[in-house]
Amino acid sequence: DTGVSQNPRHKITKRGQNVTFRCDPISEHNRLYWYRQTLGQGPEFLTYFQNEAQLEKSRLLSDRFSAERPKGSFSTLEIQRTEQGDSAMYLCASSLGGEGVNTEAFFGQGTRLTVV
Amino acid sequence: QQQVKQSPQSLIVQKGGISIINCAYENTAFDYFPWYQQFPGKGPALLIAIRPDVSEKKEGRFTISFNKSAKQFSLHIMDSQPGDSATYFCAASSPQGGSEKLVFGKGTKLTVNP
Repeated sequence: DTGVSQNPRHKITKRGQNVTFRCDPISEHNRLYWYRQTLGQGPEFLTYFQNEAQLEKSRLLSDRFSAERPKGSFSTLEIQRTEQGDSAMYLCASSLGGEGVNTEAFFGQGTRLTVV
Repeated sequence: QQQVKQSPQSLIVQKGGISIINCAYENTAFDYFPWYQQFPGKGPALLIAIRPDVSEKKEGRFTISFNKSAKQFSLHIMDSQPGDSATYFCAASSPQGGSEKLVFGKGTKLTVNP
């Protein structure tokens, strides 16, 4: 399977615990995005990497959230001290970007987080 | 501020009918307008996309109509099938800022009855 891969698919955690999600983008894609989707809503942008550089972060990304993309390959999204409001589907997308060119973003299946 | 407004929230169509979903945007810097299809428990998958230099794009049973002056675009699904039952999202992105992040509408849940 050469698509975007996300792990785990589901995560149930207790409030206050830390969780980490992993995204493996399509191998030649230089752009990687994290989005969050709550029930009945469209995905909302969280953060963007071009290669290993994190170039943009949404105001939605509180200081409890941190994302990395070491060596410009896979990415991790960590949520510290989880809150019930963090319960959502976390989606990763990747694309092959060029300057000033919009290209198709491919999404993974997402990680469904439930904070109890 | 919702930058992309999508309607209707839900839509029920008979098999063989035409499904029409509409979106309106505010940011004139948007220059890429994709539609995504999402099944329960899955990530969104690109269906079709358009850029503002054309007014219509067709791929199989799916057509995007684009009205730049009205800042509106719509998805038409011809000969709708039960397998088309899913949630559809319009989106838009701008090259400003470099990320070209997608701004999504709230989605339309389409049900196609057999």
